[in-house]
Order: sequence, then C-alpha cells, then structure tokens
Amino acid sequence: NAGVMQNPRHLVRRRGQEARLRCSPMKGHSHVYWYRQLPEEGLKFMVYLQKENIIDESGMPKERFSAEFPKEGPSILRIQQVVRGDSAAYFCASSYDRMNTEAFFGQGTRLTVV
Amino acid sequence: EDKVVQSPLSLVVHEGDTVTLNCSYEVTNFRSLLWYKQEKKAPTFLFMLTSSGIEKKSGRLSSILDKKELFSILNITATQTGDSAIYLCAYFNTNAGKSTFGDGTTLTVKP
Repeated sequence: NAGVMQNPRHLVRRRGQEARLRCSPMKGHSHVYWYRQLPEEGLKFMVYLQKENIIDESGMPKERFSAEFPKEGPSILRIQQVVRGDSAAYFCASSYDRMNTEAFFGQGTRLTVV
Repeated sequence: EDKVVQSPLSLVVHEGDTVTLNCSYEVTNFRSLLWYKQEKKAPTFLFMLTSSGIEKKSGRLSSILDKKELFSILNITATQTGDSAIYLCAYFNTNAGKSTFGDGTTLTVKP
C-alpha cells in the first residue's frame, strides 16, 4: 500500500509562471489536506478537500491559489503567477475520513521561485 | 482564533540529555493533540493524545496531555544525534476536520 505520493519533489519556477503540484492520496483515502511550510516555520493549513469538493479553504490565499480533487486522479494545488514569497515546501496529507486524526503525509514538493 | 504555541523554538543539547518540549493550545472543538517528528522530509507521526493524564510511550519518547491546563509535553530521554529534528505539535479540530500546527521546536543533539 503505497503512501501519499507527491510530485514533483522539487519544482523551480520563474516569477510569473504557474506551479502545479500533485498529490495522490493513500489507497482508500478520500480526504486530502494541503499545508505550506515556509522556511523556519511550522506547517500552515491551506485547504481541505474531499473528492470533487472543497471543504475548507480558509488557509489558502484568495488570489492566485486554487485546489481541486477530481473524481479521478490526484489532487492538484495550482499557483498562478508565482512570486518569490511562494517559495516553500508544500505538503499533502490524506486520511480515510474526516474523523481520522492520523493523517499520513507525503514527502512534499519544494517550490523555488527565482 | 485557534492557536497552538510550542516552546522553546529551538534547543541544543548533548547526547544523553533529557529534553522536554512544550505545546500549549487554545482551540475550539478539541478532539486530539498530535505530535510529529520532521527531519528533512515529511512529518512522521509520533503520538495522538485524546485523554488527559494518560501517558503515551514509545521507546525513549513519551507524551502526556493536560486538558484542564490546555498543554502537552513531549519528553525524550537519553537523547541521540538521530533525535535531531523539528518536533511539531498539532491539534485536530473535529468540526473542521483538519489539523492546525504549531511552529515547531528545532532540537539539535550534539555528540
């Protein structure tokens, strides 16, 4: 049973480009959470999705950021027109249901904006 | 607004020392408190605490929750260099179905 898979592991983008981060949850998990970790900081919640639904996006900037979790395929976190301040590690976690507090994390995508 | 505060922010000790990491929280809809260890990769789960006063143990690591005083501690005895990591505390909000993390404690264990 493969764990949470994120790709790419490292992503370099120039300012103004789009970054697309993918997360495949563990088999059987239909709840996905995205977190951002800035250098020297803890994990900050961004968005919580179930299949085809955004449950809570209170931690996600209203502009340039979007997330989806389609019926088929991975969850996608999209950042349009990236800026230097978007450079961070983006972690995805998945769980079996919303009451499952032991979410499993992927290895993260390290985004660097140059 | 829900808040998780960890202290100290960083700690440097020598092998063999015992450390205590602190986590205090102000949250609504508390369900559980979680501890994670993060090295240069994804956080790995250590403990989940839901009941006050019951210690969870795993080898040299142990943790306990005080729901009345709203804090938890993580103890590491006989520290080793491999314990060097960021230790993250998080609470799980039942209604929101998500975890909120503290900023972490960076532990460095010197030989």
